[in-house]
Amino acid sequence: DTGVSQDPRHKITKRGQNVTFRCDPISEHNRLYWYRQTLGQGPEFLTYFQNEAQLEKSRLLSDRFSAERPKGSFSTLEIQRTEQGDSAMYLCASSLSGVGEQYFGPGTRLTVT
Amino acid sequence: QKEVEQNSGPLSVPEGAIASLNCTYSDRGSQSFFWYRQYSGKSPELIMFIYSNGDKEDGRFTAQLNKASQYVSLLIRDSQPSDSATYLCALNAGGTSYGKLTFGQGTILTVHP
Repeated sequence: DTGVSQDPRHKITKRGQNVTFRCDPISEHNRLYWYRQTLGQGPEFLTYFQNEAQLEKSRLLSDRFSAERPKGSFSTLEIQRTEQGDSAMYLCASSLSGVGEQYFGPGTRLTVT
Repeated sequence: QKEVEQNSGPLSVPEGAIASLNCTYSDRGSQSFFWYRQYSGKSPELIMFIYSNGDKEDGRFTAQLNKASQYVSLLIRDSQPSDSATYLCALNAGGTSYGKLTFGQGTILTVHP
């Protein structure tokens, strides 16, 4: 088992561009989570999936953000019309159950110029 | 009041000493509790989890949970310079927040030789 993987690891984009990140969870995990972390803060929840169903989306998440997990395996997170405030580390995690341990991938660091 | 509170530190301990990290939380319905270690520029790494009141030991790490007082702590025995990192406390609140983790802002630990 290779753990949670994320791609790309780094992304630099210009303001107004769209970006898409991919996450591959641990193979037997049916739950997948997206978090965002800025410097000096703990990760902040964005959204999560159980299999292909998106069960919760943070109220802090603007409509520019969308996530999918079409076949219940990998997930994508898209940010449309990026803003400088979107610059952060985007973290993906997976777990076997709702209250169980979550394991994080290496993250995608987004820089919006 | 923040949902999860940690002293941001930095906490500095000499090599070989016991490092004590504390976390308090506001939601009495919280079900599961986690400690993550995060090195600078890296993603969080799960090091301990605890679900029941009392102590849980794993190697040099001991997690302590007191639901009545709403705190969880992490003790690191025989601290090593390689333990220098940010330690994140997280909880799964359950109920309508079932699944997502809520994090504190982290405590920076420095172990000096």
